[in-house]
Amino acid sequence: AQSVAQPEDQVNVAEGNPLTVKCTYSVSGNPYLFWYVQYPNRGLQFLLKYITGDNLVKGSYGFEAEFNKSQTSFHLKKPSALVSDSALYFCAVRDDGGISSGSARQLTFGSGTQLTVLP
Amino acid sequence: NAGVTQTPKFQVLKTGQSMTLQCAQDMNHNSMYWYRQDPGMGLRLIYYSASEGTTDKGEVPNGYNVSRLNKREFSLRLESAAPSQTSVYFCASSSSGRYNEQFFGPGTRLTVL
Repeated sequence: AQSVAQPEDQVNVAEGNPLTVKCTYSVSGNPYLFWYVQYPNRGLQFLLKYITGDNLVKGSYGFEAEFNKSQTSFHLKKPSALVSDSALYFCAVRDDGGISSGSARQLTFGSGTQLTVLP
Repeated sequence: NAGVTQTPKFQVLKTGQSMTLQCAQDMNHNSMYWYRQDPGMGLRLIYYSASEGTTDKGEVPNGYNVSRLNKREFSLRLESAAPSQTSVYFCASSSSGRYNEQFFGPGTRLTVL
């Protein structure tokens, strides 16, 4: 079975400081990894994804994420946080449906991390 | 482009009542999804439709039914609402393919008394 863990329910960071939101995953095959952001009373918005290739993925609004296969992690990062980055962030995973992964599986989401950027 | 639209935005039901949540997308996507979001649990997949004419159960299908009316529309029906179905419901769509991102609607906040 595939799963995602976001170990921190809440992350606080000062404006202008770098931020990291952590995500680890478990899949049978190779992972497709996604980050989404949710602002209050809104639907989820796609930020970035890792499919294959370069381990550092760049996405919207200055966010990036680093894929680490040995640590099964896909942490979201931003060099300089903005107050407007305050939101709920979700990591999600789907396996690539390879021979070892069994039946097709849909996207599995983590429980979310609330990011608060303090002015 | 409106993207993914959902109606209604809010709904209050009494236990045992029924209702249908509507979803439509104008991005010509083949795949559509219904999720529920509960505090501390992320999003859980209720049903999905990989293409027009097909539907499949997700992680939490009990108490729900779906209809893929056409390529644009995917509805979710609660036949006999229960308090445990109090949640925020999101519809999403995507192009076919495991690596394609999903686009989400604004959500429906449902309370069952």
